[in-house]
This record gives sequence, structure tokens and C-alpha cells, in this order.
Amino acid sequence: AQSVTQLDSQVPVFEEAPVELRCNYSSSVSVYLFWYVQYPNQGLQLLLKYLSGSTLVESINGFEAEFNKSQTSFHLRKPSVHISDTAEYFCAVSVYNNNDMRFGAGTRLTVKP
Amino acid sequence: EAGVTQFPSHSVIEKGQTVTLRCDPISGHDNLYWYRRVMGKEIKFLLHFVKESKQDESGMPNNRFLAERTGGTYSTLKVQPAELEDSGVYFCASSPLRVGGLQQFGPGTRLTVL
Repeated sequence: AQSVTQLDSQVPVFEEAPVELRCNYSSSVSVYLFWYVQYPNQGLQLLLKYLSGSTLVESINGFEAEFNKSQTSFHLRKPSVHISDTAEYFCAVSVYNNNDMRFGAGTRLTVKP
Repeated sequence: EAGVTQFPSHSVIEKGQTVTLRCDPISGHDNLYWYRRVMGKEIKFLLHFVKESKQDESGMPNNRFLAERTGGTYSTLKVQPAELEDSGVYFCASSPLRVGGLQQFGPGTRLTVL
């Protein structure tokens, strides 16, 4: 079965600094990869996804993630964060038809002024 | 289109009581999933319905949890009797049946067992 490891439980950064949230996965078959975000007092929202094709995927709010098959990673990056990016971020993996999704433990990103 | 909705948003009950959580999937989504996140840990899969049938319930923690999806529309998750360790956020998600259909999540129900 597939699994996900998010190496950092908490990441504090200052506004306008770059950030990287790390995600590694394990699976014996090809996978789909996702990043979800949960803002305070809200539900889970899909931030970006890798299904196939280009290994670099981007979101509309400036985040990007790169699928690295050799390192089994899908790290999330943003070159300059805003206060409004403060949230909890979850990496997730699923196989084939998107069932049986497995999540990491989450990384709480706190952006300070 | 309306998203996945869950009711209630919060529930506080005492140990030994019964609680029923409800999930209304996006109309037309035959796949329905339940997940749970206990404090500070990963979001864990509980079970998966395809229409009204349980496709996979390997993540259900024990027989105090009962999920139903009568008629293949909304689903309920009943915890009876509730224990302290059942506290957490219960998420529901739905997706269309086609290959590659993405799961869309509801806002979650925060359950606190005292």
C-alpha cells in the first residue's frame, strides 16, 4: 500500500520569505499526487495535483510542486509567502483511479509579519 | 454546483453517547468516502461507498462505527457508544465514478467526546 511522509510538522516563516514543505511517498505502482490546504475553520481544498505529464505543477496562488520519481518526492514551494498562506497543508497520494487516498500528517505553515 | 456538505459542523458529546454524522455528496457522484483526523495526526481513510455498496471498509476502527448510504445518495456515520479516542475531525469526500475523477472534500465535522 502507498504511504506519505511529511517531514515537517510545523514551518514558521516571515512574510515574503520563500518556503518549501516536504513530502515523500512510497508506492509500488504509479501514483497520483496531491497537495490539499486547510485554512483556519475551513474544509480541505485541493491546492494542486500531479496526474501525468509535466512534473512541475502550479496553483493559482503561486505555489508549485515538482514530482520527482527517483526521489519519490513531491515538495511544495512558494518563492514569497503572504500572511494569508497561513494554513495546514496536506500531501496525499492515490493510485490509478483516485480511490484509496493516503494522506501525510500535515504541515502547519505559519507566516509571520 | 453545490459542494460536499456535512452536518453538523461541530458535535460535543459525552463518552457512551451516540452521534450520527451526515454527508451529502455532490449530485451525481457515485463514490463517497469517509476520513478521520485525530489531533495532530494524519487524515486516515475509513471507508468507501460506490453508490449504496461498501467498496472498502478496511479503515473502520472497530464495530462501534457504522456507515450507511441508503439509496446511494447521502451517507451517515454513526458512532455508538462514543469513546474519548473518537474525538477528531471527520471528513467526507465524493467523486464521480469515471477513472481519474477527483475527490472533493466537505468541510468536516469536528467531534469532541468528553
